[in-house]
Order: sequence, then C-alpha cells, then structure tokens
Amino acid sequence: DADVTQTPRNRITKTGKRIMLECSQTKGHDRMYWYRQDPGLGLRLIYYSFDVKDINKGEISDGYSVSRQAQAKFSLSLESAIPNQTALYFCATSESGGSSYNEQFFGPGTRLTVL
Amino acid sequence: DAKTTQPTSMDCAEGRAANLPCNHSTISGNEYVYWYRQIHSQGPQYIIHGLKNNETNEMASLIITEDRKSSTLILPHATLRDTAVYYCIVSINEKLTFGTGTRLTIIP
Repeated sequence: DADVTQTPRNRITKTGKRIMLECSQTKGHDRMYWYRQDPGLGLRLIYYSFDVKDINKGEISDGYSVSRQAQAKFSLSLESAIPNQTALYFCATSESGGSSYNEQFFGPGTRLTVL
Repeated sequence: DAKTTQPTSMDCAEGRAANLPCNHSTISGNEYVYWYRQIHSQGPQYIIHGLKNNETNEMASLIITEDRKSSTLILPHATLRDTAVYYCIVSINEKLTFGTGTRLTIIP
C-alpha cells in the first residue's frame, strides 16, 4: 500500500462548488504539505502543517483552507471553486526535527478540473 | 529564497552520465541546494541535497562550486527510467519553491 494517499484522484466540478481534497499518510510523519501544479510549471506551496495544532500559509493560500484532523490526515478545501483553480494537487509529508534535512514524500496527486 | 536557473531541456544517451547544471548566484550562506525529480505527472521524488560539500548517494552525485553559485547533478549511468523533469531548489528549510526544472530525456 502507498505511504501517502490522496482522494479523489480525479475530480470535475463546477464554479462555485465547495470541494475537499483529502490526504492520508501511514509514514508517521508530523509534517504535511499541500502543493498545486499548473501545466508546464513547477509546484507551488499552498499550506503546510508541522503538527496537528499547527497550520501555516504557503505561497498561494488565497481561496484555499486546510484542516489537520489528525497526524495522519490533512485536508485541502476550496470553499468556492473557480476555473483558475484547475490544476494538479499534491500532498507531501516529512519527518520533523533533527539537524539534517528531512526529504518530502509526495502522494500521487489529485487532478481537479473546475468548469 | 534564492532563485535558480536551469536549462529547459537536455538529452542524454542511455548508459552515459547525465550532468544537469543549476545556477543559484544569489544563494545565501544557510541555504541548501535540493534536487527532486518528477516522472510524468507523478509526485516529485527526492534525489539529493547539499550545503557546501559534494554529496553522493545511491541515486546521484551533487557537485557544488566553491562559491556555491552553481551546482551540477550527476546521474552516473542514465537509464530510460531517468527520463523526468529535474528540479533544483534552494531553501533554508522544508518550504520548497519549485521552478520549471529541466526536462531530461534519455535516448536509447
């Protein structure tokens, strides 16, 4: 089984709808992240969480919200979806602390289309 | 965070070493250089990172110039499965900013 899972894998919705993307991990990591990727571009950080009670905005948080329900779960919500939120969304996790860099492990992605 | 500049695309023959350059001329003293790759539309995969010294692991080697203004990722014996977009990132922490990367194509 995959260590980082995302549901749904694909979603088509309409403008104005509320959408929730979910991320679950079995790696026991404290840190979780949400990124979006637009065609031909790199990933941009939306939100990140370093533990259950910690939520931080990333580079492009406007129009998004998140919930860290448990160590293993981190959800991304689009309160009122708009077409320019059409993108590939990735969740990632990493260990916390230590003196060395903790690599991020990415999920398979959710392809979201807003019509 | 400092920005990076990478070639848009590169080709490499299968079995040869692939050398991917990255310029980061405005890197600060406490920023690390990270490399990730993304195969097709899968989630990115960590490759290697370094601060000042050259680094090697089972996947690749990272050569950082003495002035730290540029670096090279080396895949010693490229295979077809190494075809991917390679991202060079500089950061002081886990907040990564991915540019557009280098699309590496391994030619049979």
